[in-house]
Amino acid sequence: AQSVSQHNHHVILSEAASLELGCNYSYGGTVNLFWYVQYPGQHLQLLLKYFSGDPLVKGIKGFEAEFIKSKFSFNLRKPSVQWSDTAEYFCAVIHNNAGNMLTFGGGTRLMVKP
Amino acid sequence: GAGVSQSPSNKVTEKGKDVELRCDPISGHTALYWYRQSLGQGLEFLIYFQGNSAPDKSGLPSDRFSAERTGGSVSTLTIQRTQQEDSAVYLCASSTQGASAYGYTFGSGTRLTVV
Repeated sequence: AQSVSQHNHHVILSEAASLELGCNYSYGGTVNLFWYVQYPGQHLQLLLKYFSGDPLVKGIKGFEAEFIKSKFSFNLRKPSVQWSDTAEYFCAVIHNNAGNMLTFGGGTRLMVKP
Repeated sequence: GAGVSQSPSNKVTEKGKDVELRCDPISGHTALYWYRQSLGQGLEFLIYFQGNSAPDKSGLPSDRFSAERTGGSVSTLTIQRTQQEDSAVYLCASSTQGASAYGYTFGSGTRLTVV
């Protein structure tokens, strides 16, 4: 079955530190990949997505993610985090045999210390 | 509407009672999804409606859970004889036909607490 793994469950960083959150998926076919963010007390929002083209995707608020097909990975990065980036981050995958079904990873809770 | 609307935002119920959670998707979105987010867990898929097709119920955890979507729009998730392990945030999302490219739009969720 399709699965999505986020190995970092909790990450604590100081402001201005660089961020990389790991995401690996198990399906070998064509995939569309997403990162969602959930700020405290708010609903899930789309941060960025990949479905074709340049494997380096840029999203909102300075986030980017790189799709590496050979590694089945879609890691999220930000060069310099801010306190306002404190949130929970979810990686999600749709594969071409699953219709519109998004499979989510377990989430990574990021805390940025001011 | 402008976004996905869920009601109530919070629900506290006694163990053994039935609850109904409502989702009003974005107008024109043909697909509707229910997910459950438990403390310390990821998002667990529950059920998926696409247009007039039979729903994909493969994620419903037990026969106490059911959902319907009336007129291709509003959906109700019903949990019968609630148990404490049902306590979670229930999220609804909707999408256009092309969700594989654009992803979903989520509602704010219903926080269910079973006491």
